[in-house]
Amino acid sequence: GAVVSQHPSRVICKSGTSVKIECRSLDFQATTMFWYRQFPKQSLMLMATSNEGSKATYEQGVEKDKFLINHASLTLSTLTVTSAHPEDSSFYICSARGGTGRPQHFGDGTRLSIL
Amino acid sequence: TQLLEQSPQFLSIQEGENLTVYCNSSSVFSSLQWYRQEPGEGPVLLVTVVTGGEVKKLKRLTFQFGDARKDSSLHITAAQPGDTGLYLCAGPPNTGTASKLTFGTGTRLQVTL
Repeated sequence: GAVVSQHPSRVICKSGTSVKIECRSLDFQATTMFWYRQFPKQSLMLMATSNEGSKATYEQGVEKDKFLINHASLTLSTLTVTSAHPEDSSFYICSARGGTGRPQHFGDGTRLSIL
Repeated sequence: TQLLEQSPQFLSIQEGENLTVYCNSSSVFSSLQWYRQEPGEGPVLLVTVVTGGEVKKLKRLTFQFGDARKDSSLHITAAQPGDTGLYLCAGPPNTGTASKLTFGTGTRLQVTL
């Protein structure tokens, strides 16, 4: 089956640090990747949609300068949380889709803790 | 924004009991998906329902899509501890881009021995 790998699985860093999270589709080409944020005991909230070779589309209320998304290839998208602060601590999940109408396949998430 | 409200929010039952989780919206969805998520992991797709009134079964899990495609239910028969997790419904809006998924508010299920 389709496999999406997310790295790192957990990161703890100091306030002010920038953190990069990678999302890779291992056995298929992902024309579209999605980035979600999940707070404890809550559902997934879509942050942005990333299409290979073009700029990401951010959801309302998500700061594009804070959460930089790059989708430079059909198998890799990255999310960089710039100058992270404690309120950015959360569980970040990516998903990848092989084409229009195809299902999204989810990574195992990255738990980000900012001290 | 099309919202998906799930009920109950939390359910704690004993092994062997039956349960139903509901997913409701005031908007029409072209399809709905059900996921289960375990702590520290991403959601795993259980099923996709597409046709109004459709019923799908996955072992002890029965999924139904409402006739008007505004609601769905998940029924678990004889729950087991392995069913414990966060159950999420999700769907693309019926209008506009089919790319996005709107996730429901979630139902946290705990099955004890």
